[in-house]
Amino acid sequence: AQSVTQPDIHITVSEGASLELRCNYSYGATPYLFWYVQSPGQGLQLLLKYFSGDTLVQGIKGFEAEFKRSQSSFNLRKPSVHWSDAAEYFCAFNTNAGKSTFGDGTTLTVKP
Amino acid sequence: DVKVTQSSRYLVKRTGEKVFLECVQDMDHENMFWYRQDPGLGLRLIYFSYDVKMKEKGDIPEGYSVSREKKERFSLILESASTNQTSMYLCASGGNEQYFGPGTRLTVT
Repeated sequence: AQSVTQPDIHITVSEGASLELRCNYSYGATPYLFWYVQSPGQGLQLLLKYFSGDTLVQGIKGFEAEFKRSQSSFNLRKPSVHWSDAAEYFCAFNTNAGKSTFGDGTTLTVKP
Repeated sequence: DVKVTQSSRYLVKRTGEKVFLECVQDMDHENMFWYRQDPGLGLRLIYFSYDVKMKEKGDIPEGYSVSREKKERFSLILESASTNQTSMYLCASGGNEQYFGPGTRLTVT
C-alpha cells in the first residue's frame, strides 16, 4: 500500500540548533515528494518539492530536503532553527492525478 | 501568488443542520480537494474534483457531499451535521503540489 511515515510525532530543538525531520514513503516507483508546514490555526504552506534531478532541493525559509532512493526517504533539514519555525510539518507524495498522500505530521517545538 | 479562500474561519452549527463550506481558488486549477484534519489523525481526504461537475470520493466521504459548478469554486456540504463532524476543514487546489486555504474550524453542538 502507498503510505508516508513520519516516525517522529514531536521534536524539540533549541533555537539555533540544527534540525532534521524524517520522512519515509512506500511506493513502487519514485513519486513526487513534498514538505508542507502548518502554523497553528492555519492552512498548509508548501516548503519544497522534489520531482526529479538533483536530489538535494532547496525550499523557502532556509529549509532543504534530500531524496534518497535507496532508503525511500525524503528528510527535511535546516541548519539553524528560529523560534518562528515552531509548527507542524507534513511530508507528502503524489502519484496520480494530483491526489496526495500525507504523513501524520511532526510537531516542532523550539526552546529559547 | 496563488490564493485559496474559504468562506468562514470559524463556524458553529447545531446537530441536524445543513452546512455549506465554500472554497474559491484564483489560479485556474483543475483539481480541488476537501480534507478534514483531526488531532492524531492527520489530513484525511473527503472528496476531490478534477474538473467542473466531476468529483471523486476520497477516504472518508460518508456524511458529506460536494458541488463544483464553476472551476474556481468547490463546495463541501454536510447534509445533516453531527457532532462527530466537528473538525478543521481544509480546502486545497493544485496540480502536483497543493495550495491550501486557511481552514474552517467547524463546531457542531
